[in-house]
Amino acid sequence: AQTVTQSQPEMSVQEAETVTLSCTYDTSESDYYLFWYKQPPSRQMILVIRQEAYKQQNATENRFSVNFQKAAKSFSLKISDSQLGDAAMYFCAYRDAGGTSYGKLTFGQGTILTVHP
Amino acid sequence: DAGITQSPRHKVTETGTPVTLRCHQTENHRYMYWYRQDPGHGLRLIHYSYGVKDTDKGEVSDGYSVSRSKTEDFLLTLESATSSQTSVYFCAISESRGHTEAFFGQGTRLTVV
Repeated sequence: AQTVTQSQPEMSVQEAETVTLSCTYDTSESDYYLFWYKQPPSRQMILVIRQEAYKQQNATENRFSVNFQKAAKSFSLKISDSQLGDAAMYFCAYRDAGGTSYGKLTFGQGTILTVHP
Repeated sequence: DAGITQSPRHKVTETGTPVTLRCHQTENHRYMYWYRQDPGHGLRLIHYSYGVKDTDKGEVSDGYSVSRSKTEDFLLTLESATSSQTSVYFCAISESRGHTEAFFGQGTRLTVV
C-alpha cells in the first residue's frame, strides 16, 4: 500500500518570504500523480498544484512550485512571496495512475502553515 | 466550483444511533468517495464508488456502509454511531478518465456523544 508522510506538523513564515513544505511517499508504482491541497479555516479542500510522475519538469502555479524528486520519492511545495491568505493546512496526496485505482487518494498527515505579518 | 453538496453540514448524535450522510453531485462524475479527517491522520478513505451500485471498501471502512443508487447520490451510513466516529467527513468526486483531480464537498462535522 502507498503511504504519504508529512514530517512537519507546523510551519511558519513571514509575509513576503519563502517557505517549503516537505512530503515523502512510498510506492512500487512507476506512474502516478501527486497533489498539494490547501485547507483554509473554511474547511474547503482546494487544489494547489499537481504533478504527473512521468513528467521530469517540476510543476508551477504562480507563487507555488514543487520540487519533485522521483528517485528519492520526495515532493516538496515551495510558496514564494507568502501572503496572509496562504495560511492554512496543507495536504500532500498521492494517486495511482492505473485505471483500477479508481482515483483513490492517499493523504499525508497535513502541515499547518502560519503566515506572520 | 464543482457541484458537490453534503448534508447535513453539522450533526450531533448519540452513541448507538444510526446516522446517514448524503453527498449529491451535479457533475455526472463516475467516481465518488467518502473520506474522514482526523488530527494527525490527514484524510483517510472510508468507501468509494466506481459506478451506480458499484462500491468498495477503503482504509477505514469498519462501522460504515455506503449506497449509490443513482449517479448523483452517494450515501454514507453509520449503522450504530460510536464516539470514535466523531470526525469531519468529506465527500469527493472525480472523473473516470484523464488526469483530473478530485473535487471535495464542504465537509460534515459529526459529533457522537
